[in-house]
Amino acid sequence: QTVVTQEPPFSVSPGGTVTLTCGLSSGSVSTSHYPSWYQQTPGQAPRTLIYNTNTRSSGVPDRFSGSILGNKAALTITGAQADDESDYYCVLYMGSGIWVFGGGTKLTVL
Amino acid sequence: QVQLVESGGGVVQPGTSLRLSCAASGFTFSSNGMHWVRQAPGKGLEWVALIWYDGSNKYYADSVKGRFTISRDNSKNTLYLQMNSLRAEDTAVYYCARLSDWWIDCWGQGTLVTVSS
Repeated sequence: QTVVTQEPPFSVSPGGTVTLTCGLSSGSVSTSHYPSWYQQTPGQAPRTLIYNTNTRSSGVPDRFSGSILGNKAALTITGAQADDESDYYCVLYMGSGIWVFGGGTKLTVL
Repeated sequence: QVQLVESGGGVVQPGTSLRLSCAASGFTFSSNGMHWVRQAPGKGLEWVALIWYDGSNKYYADSVKGRFTISRDNSKNTLYLQMNSLRAEDTAVYYCARLSDWWIDCWGQGTLVTVSS
């Protein structure tokens, strides 16, 4: 069974840059997995940040960007702000109508 | 604006059934595939099921296959999740979410299902 991997809890300083990644337990992530990224704060529904690897959802600040780095999808936050402190999830399309979420990364800004 | 509103959650006993609904508004419901995604307390997101825009194809996570059924009524702009043989591990907030091409572009607020004796 394919597992989508994300980093354990991460921290970044205010104003700093952080890159979170989304990998596969077997194989490489490509644009054909249509990686997308979601932000979630406690008690709230997820919010779509990035879709189709690198397209920002409407209203998402340009400090959020997506890419493929090596064999993983990546979410980069440039100039982190306090309200970026959230859980971040990626999801990959595995084909045959199946999607798999990563386990999420809890990001602390301090 | 696009709105997805889930309902039907509650507390049920193991082995019983429950049907969730998701009322959609603000877009042409019959043009989009729809997902159910769940989140157990303190855990991450888990994809549950997908139904195509016209209901012609349905896909399920292994964890729910054979027990859950996704369906839709495009005349009522409503998505459903019929959950049978519920287990304690099905306890979660269940979100409906809209599929746009190959990604989720908007989410409902979720409905809590608690399976407990």
